[in-house]
Parts: sequence; structure tokens; C-alpha cells
Amino acid sequence: GAVVSQHPSWVICKSGTSVKIECRSLDFQATTMFWYRQFPKQSLMLMATSNEGSKATYEQGVEKDKFLINHASLTLSTLTVTSAHPEDSSFYICSARARGRAEAFFGQGTRLTVV
Amino acid sequence: QKEVEQDPGPLSVPEGAIVSLNCTYSNSAFQYFMWYRQYSRKGPELLMYTYSSGNKEDGRFTAQVDKSSKYISLFIRDSQPSDSATYLCAMSAGGSYIPTFGRGTSLIVHP
Repeated sequence: GAVVSQHPSWVICKSGTSVKIECRSLDFQATTMFWYRQFPKQSLMLMATSNEGSKATYEQGVEKDKFLINHASLTLSTLTVTSAHPEDSSFYICSARARGRAEAFFGQGTRLTVV
Repeated sequence: QKEVEQDPGPLSVPEGAIVSLNCTYSNSAFQYFMWYRQYSRKGPELLMYTYSSGNKEDGRFTAQVDKSSKYISLFIRDSQPSDSATYLCAMSAGGSYIPTFGRGTSLIVHP
């Protein structure tokens, strides 16, 4: 299968600071990338969908000014959690799919802890 | 009613058993069906992808889609302790391809 690399795997930051998470498709062009949040023992919660070169589409209830998503190239998307607070602590996962393909491939996930 | 229903389990089976995992859905526009395996604290891994109705086999895994019943299944033959994980079904319609996920079934295969 296709490879999606997500970094960092885990990060600890202080409350009030910003954290950037990168998601890269290594062997295909990702026209669409998805960002998810997952709480323990729960399913994936879609935060936003981004298409290369366009603004991200955020799901209802997700603060676009807090979770900044950039998809500037066909192989890279970033999620920046701005002014992080302890309630933002969670497991964040990206996935990517190629044009015309339905199946999406996931990164390894990033565990964010805000102290 | 959620668009995709999946029993969270846990489902506990002995090593070597045949495992059946299932999802039902309500959106008749869904055409693309996927099964993912997720180990604890890892991103989901794509196991199977099928388009429309029918069966698909890959090693010990078989995916079945019955669009008339809006029901999909994943069968695991000769289950191993390493198969212990959460299995997520996902499906999407053409156009946006935004996947809708089930809540996942926790599978435990004990030696």
C-alpha cells in the first residue's frame, strides 16, 4: 500500500504555545488529505478535509482559527494547533488519498499532550 | 440512526478461529468500502478495499459487500493473536470520497 508519514509521533507542549504536525505522502500525490482526532477507545472524528491548493473544509464544531490546516503541495499537509490548552490533548491522525481513488492511507498518528 | 453501524465488541475468539466482522449502513449512495486495522496508539492500516457488491480475498482476509442489504463483512481465517486489534469499516460515495467510519470492533484472539 501507499505510505503516509506523520511527524512527530508524540509531542508535549506548554499551554498557550502552538504545535505543528506534518503529514507527507511518500509515494503518491495526495490530492485530498483528511485530519482526524481520536479519543481513547473511540472512533475517528473527522476535523477537516483539505484539497491541494484550496482552503480546508472544517467539520461543524471544529474551530478553524485554532486548528490551522495547510495543504500547499501534493505531498504535504500540516495541522497547527494554536494556543494549545490541556483539552486539546488527544491523538491526531492524518490520511491521504490520490485523485480519483476512494481508499485513503493513514499516517502513524501524533499524540499531543498539553501541560 | 448512524449512517454506519458497527458493534464495538469486544469479540474474543480462540487462536485459529474464523472471525466475522460486520457493518451495516443506511446511505445507498455508498459505493466504496474499506476495512482498516488499528493497533493501540497507531494509525489505521488499510486491509481491504472493494468497489460495489461482491467478494474480495487477500490471504487470510475476505471482504464481502451486499449492497442490496446494505451489509458488509470481513472474514479472518486462521486467526492469530497478532490479529488482536480494532477493526474499522469505512465507506464513501463517489465525488467527494469522504469516508464515513464505523466506531470499530475490538477483536481479541487468545492463544
